[in-house]
Amino acid sequence: GAGVSQTPSNKVTEKGKYVELRCDPISGHTALYWYRQSLGQGPEFLIYFQGTGAADDSGLPNDRFFAVRPEGSVSTLKIQRTERGDSAVYLCASRKTGQTEAFFGQGTRLTVV
Amino acid sequence: GQQLNQSPQSMFIQEGEDVSMNCTSSSIFNTWLWYKQDPGEGPVLLIALYKAGELTSNGRLTAQFGITRKDSFLNISASIPSDVGIYFCAGRPYNNNDMRFGAGTRLTVKP
Repeated sequence: GAGVSQTPSNKVTEKGKYVELRCDPISGHTALYWYRQSLGQGPEFLIYFQGTGAADDSGLPNDRFFAVRPEGSVSTLKIQRTERGDSAVYLCASRKTGQTEAFFGQGTRLTVV
Repeated sequence: GQQLNQSPQSMFIQEGEDVSMNCTSSSIFNTWLWYKQDPGEGPVLLIALYKAGELTSNGRLTAQFGITRKDSFLNISASIPSDVGIYFCAGRPYNNNDMRFGAGTRLTVKP
């Protein structure tokens, strides 16, 4: 499709399990962002990629969270030893270098039970 | 955590009324952005502001980039039911490409 695609749309996992969330950005967009959005809150910055490298990962809450973008397109957000507090909608956005607008996917709703 | 303070948290207005919301920051931003988010969707960009003092319109929406670079407001004129949603401000720091969001203003428009 033409937009940012995130899979799965919903994920329910047990506390302590490992999860991977995938983001397919718009073709040709070199900048990619991950955000976490809790109910009633604004998106909270997690990590920003420029190409394959993480230009800013200061928003990752702890070392259980990790993200990769090995070929500069698809990105995977990985969460180890999930906790109930990790439950949120995880949003991905991509942007073309030199342009202002970042386009968001519909998000992955993660529920840790 | 959030670096931007957005107010009000929520608004309940009658169709046809004008709306104003604002965002302040303790740090300077190079770009201010206003997004709208509908339920189950990602945020969609409404207006982008690039220069201190800039006033930009997009239909019934008007936004301004504060002179101090630490604030911005969004006005919606003659509200209609489809304006319902959550509005977020976002700022992009100077020499940095990431974006930080406010907590949002939830708008309800009563017909």
